[in-house]
Amino acid sequence: DAGVTQSPTHLIKTRGQQVTLRCSPKSGHDTVSWYQQALGQGPQFIFQYYEEEERQRGNFPDRFSGHQFPNYSSELNVNALLLGDSALYLCASSLDYTGGHNEQFFGPGTRLTVL
Amino acid sequence: AQSVTQLGSHVSVSEGALVLLRCNYSSSVPPYLFWYVQYPNQGLQLLLKYTSAATLVKGINGFEAEFKKSETSFHLTKPSAHMSDAAEYFCAVMRYGNKLVFGAGTILRVKS
Repeated sequence: DAGVTQSPTHLIKTRGQQVTLRCSPKSGHDTVSWYQQALGQGPQFIFQYYEEEERQRGNFPDRFSGHQFPNYSSELNVNALLLGDSALYLCASSLDYTGGHNEQFFGPGTRLTVL
Repeated sequence: AQSVTQLGSHVSVSEGALVLLRCNYSSSVPPYLFWYVQYPNQGLQLLLKYTSAATLVKGINGFEAEFKKSETSFHLTKPSAHMSDAAEYFCAVMRYGNKLVFGAGTILRVKS
C-alpha cells in the first residue's frame, strides 16, 4: 500500500501565476481533504472532496479551487498567487463514514514557494 | 466553533524524562480528538485518537493521552523521552467526520 502520495514535492512560482498540486489517496479511500500549513503554524482546512464534489470548505478565497477525479485522486489549483500562499500543502485521504469520524491519512505534502 | 489550544510552542525535556504536551479544546459537544506528529519536511502521522470510547488512549511509540471532559483537555504523555521523539506535535479536533481543526503545534526538543 503506497499510502497517500502528492506531487510535486517542491514548487517555486512567482506572484500572479497559477499552480496545480496533485494527490492520490490511500488505496480504498474515497474522500480527499486539503490543508495549508504556513511556516510555524498548524494546518488549516481548505476543502474536502467526496464523489467528485466539494463537500465542505474552509475560510479560503475563491482563488483556491479543486477537483476530484473518478479514481478519487484530486487536484488543488491556486490562481493569482500571492506571497502569502507560500506554505506546505497537505493532502489527506479517508473513507467516508457517516456514523462518526473519518480518520484522515496525510501525504508528505507539497512545499510551495511564491517569489 | 471548535478550537484547539496547545500550551507551549516549545517544550524541552531530557532523554528519559517524562513528556507532557498540553492540549485544550472548546466544543459544545464531545468531539473526536487526535494527536499527530510531524518530523521535519514530512507530512503528519497519527499518534492516537479519542472517539468517545475509553478516556485513556494508547498510541504508537509509547505515547498516550487522557480525555478529561471536566477540564476540556487531552494532554499527550510519554513516560520516558527518546531522542527520536524530537518533532512537532499537533492536537486536532473533529466533528461529524469532516474537517480537522488543528492547534498551533508544540515543538518537542529532547536533550541528551
